[in-house]
Amino acid sequence: NAGVTQTPKFQVLKTGQSMTLQCAQDMNHEYMSWYRQDPGMGLRLIHYSVGAGITDQGEVPNGYNVSRSTTEDFPLRLLSAAPSQTSVYFCASNSEGTFEAFFGQGTRLTVV
Amino acid sequence: ILNVEQSPQSLHVQEGDSTNFTCSFPSSNFYALHWYRWETAKSPEALFVMTLNGDEKKKGRISATLNTKEGYSYLYIKGSQPEDSATYLCAFDTGTASKLTFGTGTRLQVTL
Repeated sequence: NAGVTQTPKFQVLKTGQSMTLQCAQDMNHEYMSWYRQDPGMGLRLIHYSVGAGITDQGEVPNGYNVSRSTTEDFPLRLLSAAPSQTSVYFCASNSEGTFEAFFGQGTRLTVV
Repeated sequence: ILNVEQSPQSLHVQEGDSTNFTCSFPSSNFYALHWYRWETAKSPEALFVMTLNGDEKKKGRISATLNTKEGYSYLYIKGSQPEDSATYLCAFDTGTASKLTFGTGTRLQVTL
């Protein structure tokens, strides 16, 4: 019962460093998304994908890249980390046939 | 940017109290309204997904109603228990469940 798996759970980066947040799901879901959670704000959509090879921008895409080479994986790349990217990141997936989204456990990222 | 609002921001009740929260959303481009329960240090979990005006859903002591014409949904908890303590999120869905717009949540604390 893995569901949606995110790695790492915690990460500290220095300003300017790059890294990739991993997200994998084993439910054969077509749709996958990345959100960030900041204090006092709702989950905000960064990027999403409706299938392998198809990605699009959400509400707050700047500073992040994504790709979807397989149905299972949807990595989120920070190209040059900035303190404003300090946040908790959630990956989610769902199937076209069901509405509810399944979330990973989150990655708490701190950029110093 | 879609405006999804939840009230109250936080709520503190005694065990056994019944309580309710509100989610307001745009009345246009409606496809579905999601409710999620989010415990600290865990991932959000789906409670309900509602699609039709007048929908009522129930899961144990928790129920929800939907009014798409006026753009609001209520979540009710009957006889609150300490294990109900969590943040309750609603999310507005325009048709692709990988693109949800979340409210900021209602944080519920239930004490003995």
